[in-house]
Amino acid sequence: EDQVTQSPEALRLQEGESSSLNCSYTVSGLRGLFWYRQDPGKGPEFLFTLYSAGEEKEKERLKATLTKKESFLHITAPKPEDSATYLCAVQASGNTDKLIFGTGTRLQVFP
Amino acid sequence: NAGVTQTPKFRILKIGQSMTLQCTQDMNHNYMYWYRQDPGMGLKLIYYSVGAGITDKGEVPNGYNVSRSTTEDFPLRLELAAPSQTSVYFCASSYLDRDDQPQHFGDGTRLSIL
Repeated sequence: EDQVTQSPEALRLQEGESSSLNCSYTVSGLRGLFWYRQDPGKGPEFLFTLYSAGEEKEKERLKATLTKKESFLHITAPKPEDSATYLCAVQASGNTDKLIFGTGTRLQVFP
Repeated sequence: NAGVTQTPKFRILKIGQSMTLQCTQDMNHNYMYWYRQDPGMGLKLIYYSVGAGITDKGEVPNGYNVSRSTTEDFPLRLELAAPSQTSVYFCASSYLDRDDQPQHFGDGTRLSIL
């Protein structure tokens, strides 16, 4: 069964304290892995798509990486405005109509 | 370009009542989706549509109905509201061709059933 697991569930960081969020996946052929950011009371906002192991993408303080079993979202020198829930989702090769979402990591960055 | 627009933003229903959650997108996307999000749970797919006139069940379709008469609109119908349907509902859209495109989400409808 296709599955996505995110860890940790919650993460508290001091401003400037770099860290990583993990997304482990089990899927019968990966078509794409997506990272989203979700602010309270809002819908998920697209960040990155990764397609193959070894691929990396960056946006401001965020960098997403992908291996054959997991993806990491690295946050470098975070600021309070990076506080949000970060969602990971996978798209399987045999079922490209749908995304399978993890439960998210709730990140809080304190000044 | 408004993206994906959902109405209403909030609603309280009594058990057994019915309602329609509205979703419209102005990006000419062919795919549209309905999800529900419960605390501590990932987004669960209710129904999706690959184009006007075509709909299919997702992971948790029971108690819901959908229709897709136009490219832009994808309403979700609750016929007999039950407390288990208390949730936040998100509509999303995407354009799938040779290069996969991400799903774009609305800001949700928060539904309480009492």
